[in-house]
Amino acid sequence: SQQGEEDPQALSIQEGENATMNCSYKTSINNLQWYRQNSGRGLVHLILIRSNEREKHSGRLRVTLDTSKKSSSLLITASRAADTASYFCATLNFGNEKLTFGTGTRLTIIP
Amino acid sequence: EPEVTQTPSHQVTQMGQEVILRCVPISNHLYFYWYRQILGQKVEFLVSFYNNEISEKSEIFDDQFSVERPDGSNFTLKIRSTKLEDSAMYFCASSKQGADTQYFGPGTRLTVL
Repeated sequence: SQQGEEDPQALSIQEGENATMNCSYKTSINNLQWYRQNSGRGLVHLILIRSNEREKHSGRLRVTLDTSKKSSSLLITASRAADTASYFCATLNFGNEKLTFGTGTRLTIIP
Repeated sequence: EPEVTQTPSHQVTQMGQEVILRCVPISNHLYFYWYRQILGQKVEFLVSFYNNEISEKSEIFDDQFSVERPDGSNFTLKIRSTKLEDSAMYFCASSKQGADTQYFGPGTRLTVL
């Protein structure tokens, strides 16, 4: 298995519902970052959670981190059509500076 | 809000040609990165750059690749002799500190024919 695997690979929900995406990783991390990517476009940073944190909020986003299970989740509440995008988790290990990205979850919000 | 910019947005080149991809990181950032994403695949780390030298590089970043910060604002990625498999979206990123949020540019789509 690879560092940073998101699940599900694809998710379709109705506008207004909540969307939950999960990320698992293999090694100890310094922090974990979530990004959004609209089709063929750049990566937009959403939120960073450090290894000593368990939960963070930013607007409609809630991120949790469970280092004992080596997993993180991203919750988007009250989804909007504009949330349609691919969402990636990326881990940063101690002692280096490279982000290791997961495979992404493709989220589709149905109006 | 400051952002990372990249030029060109799309570059088409012939196999064997040299290309230079350009980036302007966020002005008070000290760490700079290049990543690439082959169509339909994961985003992959290429190289990180700090204090005017490479601090880390991946196996992908072989002798055909080089990076440079020619002045106080630009950060470039050069591919000396492009191959078909270099076709990808190339992202530049920057961060204030090493283990910090990395802010990405919009990318340069490189197509090698």
